[in-house]
Amino acid sequence: AQRVTQPEKLLSVFKGAPVELKCNYSYSGSPELFWYVQYSRQRLQLLLRHISRESIKGFTADLNKGETSFHLKKPFAQEEDSAMYYCALSGQGGNKLVFGAGTILRVKS
Amino acid sequence: DAGVIQSPRHEVTEMGQEVTLRCKPISGHNSLFWYRQTMMRGLELLIYFNNNVPIDDSGMPEDRFSAKMPNASFSTLKIQPSEPRDSAVYFCASSRTGNSYNEQFFGPGTRLTVL
Repeated sequence: AQRVTQPEKLLSVFKGAPVELKCNYSYSGSPELFWYVQYSRQRLQLLLRHISRESIKGFTADLNKGETSFHLKKPFAQEEDSAMYYCALSGQGGNKLVFGAGTILRVKS
Repeated sequence: DAGVIQSPRHEVTEMGQEVTLRCKPISGHNSLFWYRQTMMRGLELLIYFNNNVPIDDSGMPEDRFSAKMPNASFSTLKIQPSEPRDSAVYFCASSRTGNSYNEQFFGPGTRLTVL
């Protein structure tokens, strides 16, 4: 079975502090992992995917198959990063996504 | 392109009433997904279609829920009869699928309140 776990419902940090949003997954095959973000009053949108190995808005995420994790990180949080973040998994060759429960990131000034 | 369009944006109804949510995917996209978002369970996939055919409806909670996609540009999610526990935000998303995963584009959602 495919499962995504985001252990934190809410993460609150100060502006300029490092951020790490945790994501663990369960999947027997080779997964594709994604982070989606929903800013206030905006649509849910793709932030980044592990196969791209890119940094978007200063965020990076590394797939760790040994720990089955895909944590989202940013060295210095900004107030505009405040949003709901969802980690998601897709099985091999599939287009169905399984989402975690989401983490609200609140960046305080 | 206006993106994925959903209507209505808000719906308030009484328990027992029928509710129909509508979705227009992005033109050219051949996959369509219906999700439900709640505080307790986050974002859950209810059903998805590929080329207008339902592929996986294992997330549909019970027989009160049904979804159709009569053509490539329109889909409905119906709840009959509705119950207070159905209150949630319902999202529609679409993508263009190929040999590997393609990005899903989400609509603005329909906030459903069942009294």
